[in-house]
Amino acid sequence: DAKTTQPNSMESNEEEPVHLPCNHSTISGTDYIHWYRQLPSQGPEYVIHGLTSNVNNRMASLAIAEDRKSSTLILHRATLRDAAVYYCILRDDFNFGNEKLTFGTGTRLTIIP
Amino acid sequence: NAGVTQTPKFRILKIGQSMTLQCAQDMNHNYMYWYRQDPGMGLKLIYYSVGAGITDKGEVPNGYNVSRSTTEDFPLRLELAAPSQTSVYFCASSAFIGGGARGAFFGQGTRLTVV
Repeated sequence: DAKTTQPNSMESNEEEPVHLPCNHSTISGTDYIHWYRQLPSQGPEYVIHGLTSNVNNRMASLAIAEDRKSSTLILHRATLRDAAVYYCILRDDFNFGNEKLTFGTGTRLTIIP
Repeated sequence: NAGVTQTPKFRILKIGQSMTLQCAQDMNHNYMYWYRQDPGMGLKLIYYSVGAGITDKGEVPNGYNVSRSTTEDFPLRLELAAPSQTSVYFCASSAFIGGGARGAFFGQGTRLTVV
């Protein structure tokens, strides 16, 4: 799987938007961009995924650069419950032999009340 | 739905003891995984299974064994526990989540300490 680069940590004020960046300059054409988050003392949970176009769901938005070499997870209005480690992961979901989600160390997001 | 259920939540083992970490999912997912997470680190894949009767090694399989006799259950066996196996263990299952992508659903984890 292609490698991703994320900042180690970020802070944001409560009720403000948060933009979490991810660089993936070696992404291949068949790599999906997945975002997961891990709340304290819990297992990771799926947030959002995309391939080429921007995506929105009830949790977040995913903005993908036109050249796909970077993406940004957007939390529109952060709450204290959004404090977590956020992982940006690439995986070739077209290849059924590739089962691994490769987790890096992610971005630890702190929300300031 | 219960999703992915792991038992036990916590366990302390002595060096050389053995144990089985249980994982069950009620979503009828074919794909299941075991990960471990050391403090301050990301998750590393231990073993995975693409269906009943089929398992394969991940990045860090040494010291562990798995079996998959049913779609629902994917137990992880630790033989001869060592301090290096002190970690939090997560079980996950996966399914298609739209647009051809597969998403993973994780259990709450088992925190294992080997002393």
